[in-house]
Parts: sequence; C-alpha cells; structure tokens
Amino acid sequence: DSGVTQTPKHLITATGQRVTLRCSPRSGDLSVYWYQQSLDQGLQFLIQYYNGEERAKGNILERFSAQQFPDLHSELNLSSLELGDSALYFCASSVDDEQFFGPGTRLTVL
Amino acid sequence: AQSVTQPDIHITVSEGASLELRCNYSYGATPYLFWYVQSPGQGLQLLLKYFSGDTLVQGIKGFEAEFKRSQSSFNLRKPSVHWSDAAEYFCAALTGTASKLTFGTGTRLQVTL
Repeated sequence: DSGVTQTPKHLITATGQRVTLRCSPRSGDLSVYWYQQSLDQGLQFLIQYYNGEERAKGNILERFSAQQFPDLHSELNLSSLELGDSALYFCASSVDDEQFFGPGTRLTVL
Repeated sequence: AQSVTQPDIHITVSEGASLELRCNYSYGATPYLFWYVQSPGQGLQLLLKYFSGDTLVQGIKGFEAEFKRSQSSFNLRKPSVHWSDAAEYFCAALTGTASKLTFGTGTRLQVTL
C-alpha cells in the first residue's frame, strides 16, 4: 500500500458525459501527479500540482482539467468524454523525486 | 527528444532462471532512473531507483539494476525468478528540469513453472 488513495476504483459512463476522479496523496506530500495509461499511448504524464498550484503540464487534453485543494487532495475532471478516453488513470504523490502511485481509476466510456 | 526505450515487449522465463530486462534512455544529461512493477489490475510499485553514486542499485523483491552511462542503459536483473514475479515492468526517467516521469512501453514478464 503506497498510501495514495484514489476513488472510484472503476467508472463506467457514456460518451459526452463528465466525470471526476479523486486522489488523496500520502500524508505530508505536497505534489500530486496525474498519469493516463492506455493500450495505444502507454503511460503518459498529464499534469502536476504542488501545494495547490499547477506546476507542470503534459499531454493533457483541453477537455480535461485538474485542481488541488487546500487539504492537498486533487481531482481530475474529464468532460465531453470520448471512447478513446477509456483508460486507467493514476495519481501519484512524491517526496524527494520518488513518486508513489495510487491503485488507479479504470474509466470505461461506452 | 527525451525518451525511454524498453526493447522487449514480452519475455518468458522459467521459474528459477535468471532475468534481465533492458532499458535505454535518451537524455542530454543523466536522468534519475526508476523501475516500477505493475501486477494485473494493480497500481505501480517502485522496485528501485538510481539518482547517483554506486551504479549497482539494490531494490525490493530481490531485484537489482545496473546503470551504465556509456551504454545509456539501466537494466533490471534478478538471479532467480519466482512465479509471483509475473507482471509488467516499466523503466522510467525523471530529469531535473521537469518533475514528470517518462515511462518506457513496458515489458511483460511471463514465468513458466
């Protein structure tokens, strides 16, 4: 158990819908990262937050957004969902450049 | 472009045999290097990491990796594989200029009994 929690574990929704994925970092970790794992793209970095501020952006679509709250938990919002958004979404938190990953949220878009 | 390459998509070894999974990186400067393991339906677990210093790094579950600057490689090894090691293994790199991890495409390890 990495100490990073993600909810929900599974999410099934329809095209065009909007969903929110939630992540709670390890106690004391200020950085939160979001990654997407799909069959065709592999593991890709989406976005990083540090203590509530966006720190780095990767291959994140404009339909996707994230935020980190004062209690340091983070949410990833995915809107206007397409079939290709079906993937495993991981959250990670870090200390000293070592990232600890949550169990992921499996999103299925039908 | 900065990248991490895992040349082997799928490897099969017999239980008790030795294992080596290959990883090459392409960066201007030596990045921080990691190996993660992902069991089916699970998240990513860190096996080991290399930041600097001793080029032979010991990790959890009996794994080790050797950093070779001349070959831009960071290969993962285990002397004797157990059936429970069957999983997908990812090599990843992180540079000082960015906090994101760049992952290789992964190597799926199958262990035959």
